[in-house]
Amino acid sequence: EAGVTQSPTHLIKTRGQQATLRCSPISGHTSVYWYQQALGLGLQFLLWYDEGEERNRGNFPPRFSGRQFPNYSSELNVNALELEDSALYLCASSFQVVGAATDTQYFGPGTRLTVL
Amino acid sequence: KQEVTQIPAALSVPEGENLVLNCSFTDSAIYNLQWFRQDPGKGLTSLLLIQSSQREQTSGRLNASLDKSSGRSTLYIAASQPGDSATYLCAVGDDKIIFGKGTRLHILP
Repeated sequence: EAGVTQSPTHLIKTRGQQATLRCSPISGHTSVYWYQQALGLGLQFLLWYDEGEERNRGNFPPRFSGRQFPNYSSELNVNALELEDSALYLCASSFQVVGAATDTQYFGPGTRLTVL
Repeated sequence: KQEVTQIPAALSVPEGENLVLNCSFTDSAIYNLQWFRQDPGKGLTSLLLIQSSQREQTSGRLNASLDKSSGRSTLYIAASQPGDSATYLCAVGDDKIIFGKGTRLHILP
């Protein structure tokens, strides 16, 4: 069974540009989570999508946004890139039953975003 | 506001030893607690998930416990091996997933 996949592996952008990161969940999983791991910091929760809707978001500015498609894959968009956005962005998927305790999250390998 | 703390930040032990990693959280109203492993330059691997109604979970040489009342969890690794060297992250699930900063574990051959 294929795991969570992310693309691209590496992405280099300049300040002010937009970045789009993609994630494909494990087959059958309906929830997708996005995390940011900046150098020297712990993993920070960004966004949670389930059944095509944004269920929760972390403490990030609105220029971090995303969406989930009908096939449950997801995009993370970062607008007006800043140097501090350079980080490893991880995507995770799980099978989520709304209103119940969350299930185990399975992580992808991540996208390394570098902002110059 | 939920905060997750992991102690120690780094740990080196000889191969074969049993070890304990600690995780504490400030708000006991959690859905679950999860332990992850992160290898350098790679994504996370989920190790164990403990639901709020459970007290422990075991997988192979790993055992994780949860004490909600005291806001603590421990990850016990038995008979450590060099391949166990990695960063171990604790994450608490409530409305969001809150991660600790991890413990960097180095097993000395």
